[in-house]
Amino acid sequence: QQPVQSPQAVILREGEDAVINCSSSKALYSVHWYRQKHGEAPVFLMILLKGGEQKGHEKISASFNEKKQQSSLYLTASQLSYSGTYFCGTSNRDDKIIFGKGTRLHILP
Amino acid sequence: DAGVIQSPRHEVTEMGQEVTLRCKPISGHDYLFWYRQTMMRGLELLIYFNNNVPIDDSGMPEDRFSAKMPNASFSTLKIQPSEPRDSAVYFCAVRVSYNEQFFGPGTRLTVL
Repeated sequence: QQPVQSPQAVILREGEDAVINCSSSKALYSVHWYRQKHGEAPVFLMILLKGGEQKGHEKISASFNEKKQQSSLYLTASQLSYSGTYFCGTSNRDDKIIFGKGTRLHILP
Repeated sequence: DAGVIQSPRHEVTEMGQEVTLRCKPISGHDYLFWYRQTMMRGLELLIYFNNNVPIDDSGMPEDRFSAKMPNASFSTLKIQPSEPRDSAVYFCAVRVSYNEQFFGPGTRLTVL
């Protein structure tokens, strides 16, 4: 079942913060975050394996609440380079990732 | 180093024609995934292989779609006959570490 991402789109000014949420109706083993710039392929950001785990990548971090079957991606002091579409993906101890429809993030100077 | 070559990068064809998309990882990887991306449905997993064997093809939309992986460095996705609703960007991805996937540049398919 495809995870649900919110919001669908965000417009920020450079330096502002953003939160992207990802929720699933099924129990999760891991959550994956990818970023895709316009006209390019998705690129791996991070994977979260444990409940309550947080990870970071530059000024981007994420949390995973296993009980609530939710994950959130936090973008702090956003930069122009953060613009793109962010996908969360979920997997259940198998090898495949089911991706959400994505959240489009646009950073204005 | 991970790397994936996809060809063609762009394909325009007419409804009813056969289309073959190709994926060539730079070096062999044990897992290979085919995805389709559209605005409406997002990034959908079509099929994936482990050691050249198809493991899960539940995402393949219908019998018009087929995929093969004859060896560790080559895979094809075929659509026969193609329909306008097949228009999308098709990505091939390989697993480079535990559950991290590296995506190829994609093939943009337009079916008229």
